[in-house]
Amino acid sequence: AQRVTQPEKLLSVFKGAPVELKCNYSYSGSPELFWYVQYSRQRLQLLLRHISRESIKGFTADLNKGETSFHLKKPFAQEEDSAMYYCALSPGGTSGSRLTFGEGTQLTVNP
Amino acid sequence: NAGVTQTPKFRILKIGQSMTLQCTQDMNHNYMYWYRQDPGMGLKLIYYSVGAGITDKGEVPNGYNVSRSTTEDFPLRLELAAPSQTSVYFCASSQSISRPRSGAYNEQFFGPGTRLTVL
Repeated sequence: AQRVTQPEKLLSVFKGAPVELKCNYSYSGSPELFWYVQYSRQRLQLLLRHISRESIKGFTADLNKGETSFHLKKPFAQEEDSAMYYCALSPGGTSGSRLTFGEGTQLTVNP
Repeated sequence: NAGVTQTPKFRILKIGQSMTLQCTQDMNHNYMYWYRQDPGMGLKLIYYSVGAGITDKGEVPNGYNVSRSTTEDFPLRLELAAPSQTSVYFCASSQSISRPRSGAYNEQFFGPGTRLTVL
């Protein structure tokens, strides 16, 4: 069975500081990993996925298969980054497949 | 496009009552999902559907039923509400897009959620 762990429920940083949200997973195959974000009073939405290797709103995430991690990073946090972040896993190679979510990390960026 | 819509936004039920949470999407997505989110926890999959007429259990299906008679609608039914079903319920939909190099791409689009309290 797959599992996603986000060890930090709360994370607080100052504006301009680097931020890293940790995500570890367990899965025997080759999964797809995602980061979803929920801003205040908005819907849960996709932030980025490891396959595309893209940077969205300054955030990047690298899949480390050796450490089974998919940490989300941003070099200079902004106040508008304050939100709830969820790491999610989908079994690789299966289209339209289910997501397993971590418990989420509430990020607060202070002025 | 309204995307994924859910009704009602809030509901209070008494133990043993039944209700249906409605979910509709206008993006012609084949895949639809129901999740529940308990306080301080991540989303857990209740049921999902890969197309009209096809449904399957997720991680926490007990106490719930679903149907998928059309592509657009995916209602979630609670037959005998229990306090353990107090939660926020999210519906989502997705459409797989196959890409030659990166494989299938599965972005899920979420509804605004229904907050259910069972007393």
